[in-house]
Amino acid sequence: NAGVMQNPRHLVRRRGQEARLRCSPMKGHSHVYWYRQLPEEGLKFMVYLQKENIIDESGMPKERFSAEFPKEGPSILRIQQVVRGDSAAYFCASSPPLAGGIVEQYFGPGTRLTVT
Amino acid sequence: GNSVTQMEGPVTLSEEAFLTINCTYTATGYPSLFWYVQYPGEGLQLLLKATKADDKGSNKGFEATYRKETTSFHLEKGSVQVSDSAVYFCALSDREGNNRLAFGKGNQVVVIP
Repeated sequence: NAGVMQNPRHLVRRRGQEARLRCSPMKGHSHVYWYRQLPEEGLKFMVYLQKENIIDESGMPKERFSAEFPKEGPSILRIQQVVRGDSAAYFCASSPPLAGGIVEQYFGPGTRLTVT
Repeated sequence: GNSVTQMEGPVTLSEEAFLTINCTYTATGYPSLFWYVQYPGEGLQLLLKATKADDKGSNKGFEATYRKETTSFHLEKGSVQVSDSAVYFCALSDREGNNRLAFGKGNQVVVIP
């Protein structure tokens, strides 16, 4: 059973370009979470999605950032018009349905975004 | 809101030494508590967890006990190895928060032979 897959592992963008980060959850997992890790910081929650539905986007910046998890294909985190402050590691995690309790999240290896 | 505080600074110790990393939390409900480990260049791996007060999570020689009275979840290992060198993150989640994790800043642990 493959783990959570993220690609690319490293992404370099110039200021003003768009960044697209992909996440394929573990088989059987229908829930995806995105976290951002700034240098010397812990991970910060960004968004929580189910297939075709955003459940919680309370951690997403109000502008330039969007996320989707379509019926088919990976979850995408999209950053428009990137700025240097967007340079960070972006981690995706997946879990099975919550079923009213707390469930473990399984993390991918992350995408390291560098904005030049 | 929920938050997690870890002790400041990296931890450097010799092989076979005793390791303690402090973690305290603030939460409105009854959270579950976790320790995650991040090896260089990799994603986070769940090390251990505890879901209710007085539970003890344990794995690979690491232990942590959920202490509601002191709102703490300190990580301990009796005898560290060089291979334990990594960054350790304390985290919590709760049902009210849609299972999202709140992380501490992490502690870099360096074990020298």
